[in-house]
Amino acid sequence: EIVLTQSPDFQSVTPKEKVTITCRASQSIGSSLHWYQQRPDQSPKLLIKFASQSISGVPSRFSGSGSGTDFTLTINSLEAEDAAAYYCHQSSSLPLTFGGGTKVEIK
Amino acid sequence: QLQLQESGPGLVKPSETLSLTCTVSGGSISSSSHYWGWIRQPPGKGLEWIGNIYYSGSTYYNPSLKSRVTISVDTSKNQFSLKLSSVTAADTAVYYCARRGQLFDYWGQGTLVTVSS
Repeated sequence: EIVLTQSPDFQSVTPKEKVTITCRASQSIGSSLHWYQQRPDQSPKLLIKFASQSISGVPSRFSGSGSGTDFTLTINSLEAEDAAAYYCHQSSSLPLTFGGGTKVEIK
Repeated sequence: QLQLQESGPGLVKPSETLSLTCTVSGGSISSSSHYWGWIRQPPGKGLEWIGNIYYSGSTYYNPSLKSRVTISVDTSKNQFSLKLSSVTAADTAVYYCARRGQLFDYWGQGTLVTVSS
């Protein structure tokens, strides 16, 4: 099973600040890494697919990078609506797995 | 616009079987390009993949739950279902159904299932 380790677990950030979340895979997964945003009491929403590919309708302040075992989600100029949990997810091999999540709080 | 909606009992007794159905609208469950999956999230915790099914009935389960899980599909009703047997309090979670091509792109709103006597 591929284990995804996210850091940090929690981040408290002021608006307009830059946020960086990392996801490390226990073995190489190429670019088969996706990022989801989950606002309170909502279902997860796809933000970035295949490490760095943007999703239609997602604000351009969200970007992703990385390959192999190390991946990063960056939120440039954080907005109040970005308060949420963020999860990475690998689709390289079964069983499908998710990272433990990073909760982003707005100061 | 594709929509998925979970339905089923919100309360299940320990040792019994949890049963949920996901109804797909705005698209066909018989798509050759997609699988249909179940994911769960215990209160305050992260996401756990339960399993996927193809319209033909082919299934893939998380080994951690495989002995207790059955996922089935009813193409005539555009639905797929989850059964989880011998539940305990550890199975209390929000259960989501979702569509998977190369990744999960459409999700249901989720349904909370509590295991309690």
